[in-house]
Amino acid sequence: RKEVEQDPGPFNVPEGATVAFNCTYSNSASQSFFWYRQDCRKEPKLLMSVYSSGNEDGRFTAQLNRASQYISLLIRDSKLSDSATYLCVVNGGSSNTGKLIFGQGTTLQVKP
Amino acid sequence: ETGVTQTPRHLVMGMTNKKSLKCEQHLGHNAMYWYKQSAKKPLELMFVYSLEERVENNSVPSRFSPECPNSSHLFLHLHTLQPEDSALYLCASSHSGQGWSEKLFFGSGTQLSVL
Repeated sequence: RKEVEQDPGPFNVPEGATVAFNCTYSNSASQSFFWYRQDCRKEPKLLMSVYSSGNEDGRFTAQLNRASQYISLLIRDSKLSDSATYLCVVNGGSSNTGKLIFGQGTTLQVKP
Repeated sequence: ETGVTQTPRHLVMGMTNKKSLKCEQHLGHNAMYWYKQSAKKPLELMFVYSLEERVENNSVPSRFSPECPNSSHLFLHLHTLQPEDSALYLCASSHSGQGWSEKLFFGSGTQLSVL
């Protein structure tokens, strides 16, 4: 089983649509969770951290379900500029060690 | 501009060459990382340095040799690479120590092709 698993997609959606990505992780001791965004031929950039209580940043909402070891990202009112690959990222253990495990990424393509 | 600069952006080398990748960060961070990103695969952590000491070595072949002379600079020395080592090599930095921040800032990467 992969340590961090994502559906690679691609997800093709029209502008204005709501789209959700899911991610599962295998290490129950993981404590920190993130979504990164990677544009084509560019470096990954932090989109948002994921907190136990769930958190929202504008059109983006992240949720964490520790019992199911599941993370989600919801994008509302999709824009063309949201087209990118979204990487689910989990820390590698219970203590901060700098070891982050990346998922393969889910590719989103927003169409006009 | 993320404050993490990598050179060169592109590198083509033969299997018998020796080359080095360079990374410099201007963010005042004290942890630096090398990641490898191959096509259709997740980012793979190669090395982590915290306060110039290597704290993570993810079973990377010895043909990859990292060097961290200070907290702002990180090198990856390459020798006798294989074609399967062709990938995007990404450097990143963050804060470490008490309250280690796992928010990484990446450089633009070096696209390496081994012929």
